[in-house]
Amino acid sequence: GEDVEQSLFLSVREGDSSVINCTYTDSSSTYLYWYKQEPGAGLQLLTYIFSNMDMKQDQRLTVLLNKKDKHLSLRIADTQTGDSAIYFCAETPSGYSTLTFGKGTMLLVSP
Amino acid sequence: DTAVSQTPKYLVTQMGNDKSIKCEQNLGHDTMYWYKQDSKKFLKIMFSYNNKELIINETVPNRFSPKSPDKAHLNLHINSLELGDSAVYFCASSQSADGEQYFGPGTRLTVT
Repeated sequence: GEDVEQSLFLSVREGDSSVINCTYTDSSSTYLYWYKQEPGAGLQLLTYIFSNMDMKQDQRLTVLLNKKDKHLSLRIADTQTGDSAIYFCAETPSGYSTLTFGKGTMLLVSP
Repeated sequence: DTAVSQTPKYLVTQMGNDKSIKCEQNLGHDTMYWYKQDSKKFLKIMFSYNNKELIINETVPNRFSPKSPDKAHLNLHINSLELGDSAVYFCASSQSADGEQYFGPGTRLTVT
């Protein structure tokens, strides 16, 4: 079955860049997503990328996709304390509607 | 305006009880979902409805029954609650079956 892997924890200082990595196994993945979950809150869609793209930039967020290696990364520039949260990578293959999630990466930003 | 809303936000109940969680979306989306997030934060799809019809039904005990009275609502009814049902349940919706999904705030269910 499909599998999505993420590192569990990342700690950075305020102002640094954060890079959260994700690998997936399903070669038919069409849509790849990044969600943010703040403590006690729901999932917030941050950004997404289609499998025919290599990169997508949205303000402080940059998503890079290496389809050959099935590797997805989320770079947050100028990380702020408000960025502290759990970040979930998720994918869905073409023709399906459900998402397969990674277990989430907890990002801790220290002042 | 809240796009995807769930009620209640917190639910504490005893084993053996029957409870429901409600979900509503005001985005005009065609597809709605229920996910379960366990204590280790792992998210897993439970059900998906498209235009009020069940399209995804993962391996979930049949004590869980989704009901979609209309496109904007997808409720989750759970019979004979067990300790292992304790989790956060998220509702989500998307414009179409392949569209990006928007999540509700979650319902934290605690079974004692």
